[in-house]
Amino acid sequence: AQTVTQSQPEMSVQEAETVTLSCTYDTSESDYYLFWYKQPPSRQMILVIRQEAYKQQNATENRFSVNFQKAAKSFSLKISDSQLGDAAMYFCAYRVNRDDKIIFGKGTRLHILP
Amino acid sequence: KAGVTQTPRYLIKTRGQQVTLSCSPISGHRSVSWYQQTPGQGLQFLFEYFSETQRNKGNFPGRFSGRQFSNSRSEMNVSTLELGDSALYLCASSLEGKNTEAFFGQGTRLTVV
Repeated sequence: AQTVTQSQPEMSVQEAETVTLSCTYDTSESDYYLFWYKQPPSRQMILVIRQEAYKQQNATENRFSVNFQKAAKSFSLKISDSQLGDAAMYFCAYRVNRDDKIIFGKGTRLHILP
Repeated sequence: KAGVTQTPRYLIKTRGQQVTLSCSPISGHRSVSWYQQTPGQGLQFLFEYFSETQRNKGNFPGRFSGRQFSNSRSEMNVSTLELGDSALYLCASSLEGKNTEAFFGQGTRLTVV
């Protein structure tokens, strides 16, 4: 079964500091995508970053970067220079390349402390 | 470019009633997927439509159904509502599904009383 596990229900970080959100997944597929989505109070799911499984290089988007460990099936998100606007629910997600269904983790609520 | 639009934003229904939710995808997108989000179960895939055909279906009872029109707009219907159907229903659209990025709407908050 394909599952995504986020072991940290909630986390807090001081503004301007760095925080890492953890995610592990389970799959027998070899061709897939991994995502981090952000859901602020407005409820709209926003794509933060994506990683193709065949790419060894970790994806980076400005202050957001991932640590993708394919053998360990681990996909953590690092947020540098945290800002108040980063406060949100963060979901790790997975999708097989040949499919359209996205499988989400239960989420990590991130608080930014001023 | 307008984003994914879901209507209504909020809905209150009584047990046993039925409800229809609407999703207008981004212009040019042909794939529409629906997800149910609850505090207990998190985000769960309901179904995906592409060019008016259901291409994929999640593990939900037959009370949950959907359809897609020729303009790619999609509707989701839940019949014989139960208290447990209270949730945020999110719609996502993408160009082709599969290998293309999904864009989400703001969801419809359904409360069943």
